[in-house]
Amino acid sequence: DIQMTQSPSALSASVGDRVTITCRAGQSIDTWLAWYQQKPGRAPKLLIFDASSLESGVPSRFTGSGSGTEFTLSINSLQPEDFATYYCQQYKSYSRSFGQGTTVEIK
Amino acid sequence: QVTLRESGPALVKSTETLTLTCSFSGFSLTTSGACVSWIRQPPGKALEWLAVIDWDDGKFYTTSLKTRLTISKDTAKNQVVLTMTDMDPVDTATYYCARIRDGYSFGPFDSWGQGTLVTVSS
Repeated sequence: DIQMTQSPSALSASVGDRVTITCRAGQSIDTWLAWYQQKPGRAPKLLIFDASSLESGVPSRFTGSGSGTEFTLSINSLQPEDFATYYCQQYKSYSRSFGQGTTVEIK
Repeated sequence: QVTLRESGPALVKSTETLTLTCSFSGFSLTTSGACVSWIRQPPGKALEWLAVIDWDDGKFYTTSLKTRLTISKDTAKNQVVLTMTDMDPVDTATYYCARIRDGYSFGPFDSWGQGTLVTVSS
């Protein structure tokens, strides 16, 4: 199974800040990576797929980059509704796996 | 519009077998490439992928739970069923079903159910 490691596990930021979350894969996954946003009590929501493709309806302040084993999710000009937990997920292999999550909290 | 909804018992006892049903609409599991997965999330913890079934009845399971899981589909009813045997309190979690994006064999999950919380009592 491919291990996915996110950093940091949590961060504090203010509205208007730019934040960056990193996801590292235990082996190369090319660009077979997705990012999800999850708010308390809600199902995850797909933000980014194929490492950098924005899902329809997702604001353009969300950007994804990377390939191979290192990936980033950036949020430009953080908005109040962006405070949530973010997960990366690989789909290189049939045994999909998620990162442990990064919680973005209000400073 | 794609929708998925999980249903099943909210409470099960240790050693019992859990059966969950995912009822979906807006797509068909008879369409080439269609896949539905189950994912779970213990309270306050990360997401864990469990199993997937595809249009061709291909089935894959997470390695750590492979011996306890069975996934199946009823295409006439637009349902996917997950059974998990020998339940333990550590299996307490919200269980989600999710659809894999059209055109992909392995990922990502573009539509999710609202989840169903299953508590395992000892």
